[in-house]
Amino acid sequence: SAVISQKPSRDICQRGTSLTIQCQVDSQVTMMFWYRQQPGQSLTLIATANQGSEATYESGFVIDKFPISRPNLTFSTLTVSNMSPEDSSIYLCSVVGTESLGNYGYTFGSGTRLTVV
Amino acid sequence: GENVEQHPSTLSVQEGDSAVIKCTYSDSASNYFPWYKQELGKRPQLIIDIRSNVGEKKDQRIAVTLNKTAKHFSLHITETQPEDSAVYFCAASFGNEKLTFGTGTRLTIIP
Repeated sequence: SAVISQKPSRDICQRGTSLTIQCQVDSQVTMMFWYRQQPGQSLTLIATANQGSEATYESGFVIDKFPISRPNLTFSTLTVSNMSPEDSSIYLCSVVGTESLGNYGYTFGSGTRLTVV
Repeated sequence: GENVEQHPSTLSVQEGDSAVIKCTYSDSASNYFPWYKQELGKRPQLIIDIRSNVGEKKDQRIAVTLNKTAKHFSLHITETQPEDSAVYFCAASFGNEKLTFGTGTRLTIIP
């Protein structure tokens, strides 16, 4: 499976500021996703990062709050904008490849633990 | 969109006994069903998956069964060990599209 480097691993941020999380994959993947996992909860999809075009957001998530970039097949960023304490959560990058690319299945990054104070 | 329900939310079993976690899904087009194990403070790790053209898959102590007609799938862990204690998530997707996750099961193995 693909190896994902996600940075930062954790951060403590002031309310009203923004944080950009990076996701770098060691091989080409077909799809990249961003999830949020609140404490003790399941994973909720924020958006699908589309290469070279605007991300596809799930209900309840908007581009102004969570702008996403994916300039190529192996890299994506998620920005959490104008943060409030309710944004405190773990944010996870996920990728999926294909057997033809040599990396099959969905893999997760190690996550970014965000605390907003 | 897809909706995945997972039961039970918590499960405690004696070491050596079996554990079963069940999930149902709503979208009949879903064709990929993975199971993830998440230990405290760590990322979800894929432990087994099944595609809709298969009814059962086994990997050592872990097995998954799929009933497409009833739209449910189950995780079976036999001969449980203390290191099996974790939160388990089922998920469903169509092709390589987004995964929809169940609500999770906290499994505790009692020594």
